[in-house]
Amino acid sequence: KAGVTQTPRYLIKTRGQQVTLSCSPISGHRSVSWYQQTPGQGLQFLFEYFSETQRNKGNFPGRFSGRQFSNSRSEMNVSTLELGDSALYLCASRREVNSYEQYFGPGTRLTVT
Amino acid sequence: AQTVTQSQPEMSVQEAETVTLSCTYDTSESDYYLFWYKQPPSRQMILVIRQEAYKQQNATENRFSVNFQKAAKSFSLKISDSQLGDAAMYFCAYRSVYLQGAQKLVFGQGTRLTINP
Repeated sequence: KAGVTQTPRYLIKTRGQQVTLSCSPISGHRSVSWYQQTPGQGLQFLFEYFSETQRNKGNFPGRFSGRQFSNSRSEMNVSTLELGDSALYLCASRREVNSYEQYFGPGTRLTVT
Repeated sequence: AQTVTQSQPEMSVQEAETVTLSCTYDTSESDYYLFWYKQPPSRQMILVIRQEAYKQQNATENRFSVNFQKAAKSFSLKISDSQLGDAAMYFCAYRSVYLQGAQKLVFGQGTRLTINP
């Protein structure tokens, strides 16, 4: 069974631009979560989607948004990029919202210059 | 809000030795899950072990075991017979079982484990 996949793996953007990251969960998993990982702030929860609905959102500005499609694939979008948005963005999937085990993808390394 | 603290930014151990990574957490909830995740240099986060708060018995997965002290809010990870492949960042994480909190993992800052051959 294929794991969680994220595309692209690396991305370089300029301040002020916007970016879209993609995540494909494990087949059969309906919940997708996004996390931001930085050296300073560590791992922080961005949001979780289940059945195309955002169920919870972390403490991030409105520039961070996401969506989930009917096939459970998810995208997150960051508009008006700032230097501080440089981070590793991790996607994780789980079968159901009450499933305790979450499987992570390899991440997308975003660099904002 | 729940918090997770890992007080050891870095640890090192000789191959084949035993090492214990510390984790403390703060919560007012009585039921929750605790996890240890491993993130090797390849970056893919891997679940090492989990513990349900209602279970008194400490979880064990092969060479990995935990010491769960609920009253002390402590959740340490013991790695026995350390192997070179155990070198990684280790994250302690908390997940609530209650509605809004159940969607997210709350992570500690991580402990970088080095295995010396």
